[in-house]
This record gives sequence, C-alpha cells and structure tokens, in this order.
Amino acid sequence: DQQVKQNSPSLSVQEGRISILNCDYTNSMFDYFLWYKKYPAEGPTFLISISSIKDKNEDGRFTVFLNKSAKHLSLHIVPSQPGDSAVYFCAASAIDDKIIFGKGTRLHILP
Amino acid sequence: NAGVTQTPKFQVLKTGQSMTLQCAQDMNHEYMSWYRQDPGMGLRLIHYSVGAGITDQGEVPNGYNVSRSTTEDFPLRLLSAAPSQTSVYFCASTYRPNTGELFFGEGSRLTVL
Repeated sequence: DQQVKQNSPSLSVQEGRISILNCDYTNSMFDYFLWYKKYPAEGPTFLISISSIKDKNEDGRFTVFLNKSAKHLSLHIVPSQPGDSAVYFCAASAIDDKIIFGKGTRLHILP
Repeated sequence: NAGVTQTPKFQVLKTGQSMTLQCAQDMNHEYMSWYRQDPGMGLRLIHYSVGAGITDQGEVPNGYNVSRSTTEDFPLRLLSAAPSQTSVYFCASTYRPNTGELFFGEGSRLTVL
C-alpha cells in the first residue's frame, strides 16, 4: 500500500509561469514532508521541507503547502526556470525513522 | 568534502551471483539507508540503520542483507542476484532522520542477466 502518492507522472510548464506539483499521503503519523529534486545520472538532492505542525514553508522561489485535513501537500515553483526541469520526489519521515518516497513527477519547463 | 560515496557505479551480474554494493559517508551521520529506483516505481526503501550495530527493514528488503559495523560504512549485499534486482541503487545518510533531510550518493546501476 503506497503511503506517499504522486499521481502525475509528468508536468509541462512554460518558463516564467508557476509550477505546482502535488502529493498525497495516507499515514497521519508522518513528522516531516519533503521535496527532493533529481537530475539524470545524479542522486536526489533535498529541496525544501515542512513540519507536520505547519501549513506553509517558503524558500526563495519554492513554497511548500501542507493541508493536513486533506492529507495533501504541494510544491509551488515561481517563476519556473529551465534549470527546474527535473524529477521531483515527495517524501515523508515516519516516527519509526523510515523515510518514504513517492513515485516522482517529471517537470518539463518549456521555453 | 566527499559526502556519500558509492562503489561501484556500474555492475553487471549473472543470475545467482553475489555481490556487495559499498557505501561510505564522511559526515559522521548516524542514520544511513539504501533505496532502489525503478521506472514508474520511484524510490523504495530497502534497509536502513540508525547507528552502528543497528539495522532494520524497509519497504522492499527481500533478497538483500545489510550490516553496520562502523558509523561510516553501510554495505548492501545481494546473496543470489535475480533479474528483478536490476535497478539503480542509492545510498543516503543524515544526522536528523526525523526531518528526512537525506544526503544521497550518486547511485550504483546494477544489471542482472
């Protein structure tokens, strides 16, 4: 049973516009939610996180929103830039120290 | 500043062969973990360790063994490789597992024929 779900395998966004990536989860006991970015032939890199007690965290062009009642989080990138083209993974840390990832969303920034 | 180092980067095995994927980190992180990445499946947790001498199973542990004799090293062993274990393997570490902020290695691509 998938605990962290990213239902959109891919997303295309025009350069300069807002990119919104979505993630749903099933486990109410997750402590932190995170987004990772991955380029081909490289390991994932941490992008931004949010504690389960908050509903928004912002870092430059990146903002993560958490809706606990809906068990949903989203990553907003604004404005989108060509270097943002990558695979984005949603992840969550559980009380038993497991860090669980979703299947990823491939973001294409169009010129 | 090496971070998380994985070796080898590429490996081809025949079914039934054994091998060990090496992972070393120089950040003095207590927590280390192994993931595999497959097309359409994302990153799935194989095993993890919260410190030397302690290991635990993740989401897909079958067919893999781990040990953690030192803080720095966390090798992943395939005792009898199967084609289903063809994948890209990532090792990761962190000093704060509760926050989930992992540092990843560059990956090891394994093909089992």
